Amino acid sequence: GAGVSQSPSNKVTEKGKDVELRCDPISGHTALYWYRQSLGQGPEFLIYFQGTGAADDSGLPNDRFFAVRPEGSVSTLKIQRTERGDSAVYLCASSQDRSSYEQYFGPGTRLTVT
Amino acid sequence: GDSVTQMEGPVTLSEEAFLTINCTYTATGYPSLFWYVQYPGEGLQLLLKATKADDKGSNKGFEATYRKETTSFHLEKGSVQVSDSAVYFCALSHTNAGKSTFGDGTTLTVKP
Repeated sequence: GAGVSQSPSNKVTEKGKDVELRCDPISGHTALYWYRQSLGQGPEFLIYFQGTGAADDSGLPNDRFFAVRPEGSVSTLKIQRTERGDSAVYLCASSQDRSSYEQYFGPGTRLTVT
Repeated sequence: GDSVTQMEGPVTLSEEAFLTINCTYTATGYPSLFWYVQYPGEGLQLLLKATKADDKGSNKGFEATYRKETTSFHLEKGSVQVSDSAVYFCALSHTNAGKSTFGDGTTLTVKP
């Protein structure tokens, strides 16, 4: 079946602009995660949804970052007033439910802030 | 907080050589431990996992044993192939907590 998809695959934006990144999880997966991966580092947790609600948003770096999942499926990560330090690959993953250990990762969105 | 430390790379081996990539962790309680692999141009994939002490995870010839006494989860393979060239990430997760904590990755290059 289809895996986790993310769009766009690449996004170049100017400092100060807002961006929206989309994640489409595997159908039926109730848990959805956002991570950020900087060059040469491992993924860093941002936020975790169980269904429509954010179960853990402790990884969001500041209030410029927020994410929504209004219908419990597709999620959008929004970054306001982007800064050059926001440049990274943003990864989305989903799992069947909160007790499932296996997270399925999407290909990521590479965000470049100029 | 939780943390995962991996041996620094890059690691370069000849085909059929023995592979070890070290991973140690710091965490409260009894986390589950994972190895993920990222092949060139592809997304992260779960390679193997172990959910309790002394468990051995295995897949595609790779193995790792959950050692609580040394807080380690070293990845091993007896005979690597060129197709094993990838970036390997060690990670941990607490039951029902959702998020995973990752190491910084180790790049493996296998030469024919």
